[in-house]
Amino acid sequence: DVKVTQSSRYLVKRTGEKVFLECVQDMDHENMFWYRQDPGLGLRLIYFSYDVKMKEKGDIPEGYSVSREKKERFSLILESASTNQTSMYLCASRTGVNQPQHFGDGTRLSIL
Amino acid sequence: QKEVEQNSGPLSVPEGAIASLNCTYSDRVSQSFFWYRQYSGKSPELIMSIYSNGDKEDGRFTAQLNKASQYVSLLIRDSQPSDSATYLCALTGGGNKLTFGTGTQLKVEL
Repeated sequence: DVKVTQSSRYLVKRTGEKVFLECVQDMDHENMFWYRQDPGLGLRLIYFSYDVKMKEKGDIPEGYSVSREKKERFSLILESASTNQTSMYLCASRTGVNQPQHFGDGTRLSIL
Repeated sequence: QKEVEQNSGPLSVPEGAIASLNCTYSDRVSQSFFWYRQYSGKSPELIMSIYSNGDKEDGRFTAQLNKASQYVSLLIRDSQPSDSATYLCALTGGGNKLTFGTGTQLKVEL
């Protein structure tokens, strides 16, 4: 079974802090993704990566950056956290085109 | 027009009935289609993949794809209260991204 592990289930940070969310997958998947999910808005893609050191913006990249230094790890960075970034953050990975994504358990992030 | 459309629900069905969840999409080049189940507060879980026209069955679940009409559906037979969740339709057109619908909430009532 595919295992996608997110570093924290719950996280509370303060406005202005730099926040790191980590995601690790154990299936040698090329593609990794970061989403946020808010009630009524569905899943929104923040960034994705199709290879080490490669990244592409998703639909809502503003206020976020990412890092992929190793194939198995994809980090999401909130440069200066704001209250409107309070959300559920989901990491996913997949082998390649036309394959399903597999999700981690999610991180519920609260910015106070 | 949204790329993937789902009725948000809630769709209520009695226990033991067939639940029918529908999804329409706008991009004709879409190639792969997926159904995810998401319980409240949890992450989405893949339950079905379908790639060609017709029906695909897996236990109590049947996915149906009609590319000409641009819809994909999920049937759940003998619905159980544990099936109560939000069901997300997703598809890909061959690029790196998966496009998700906003989900249909299913409630299975005793």
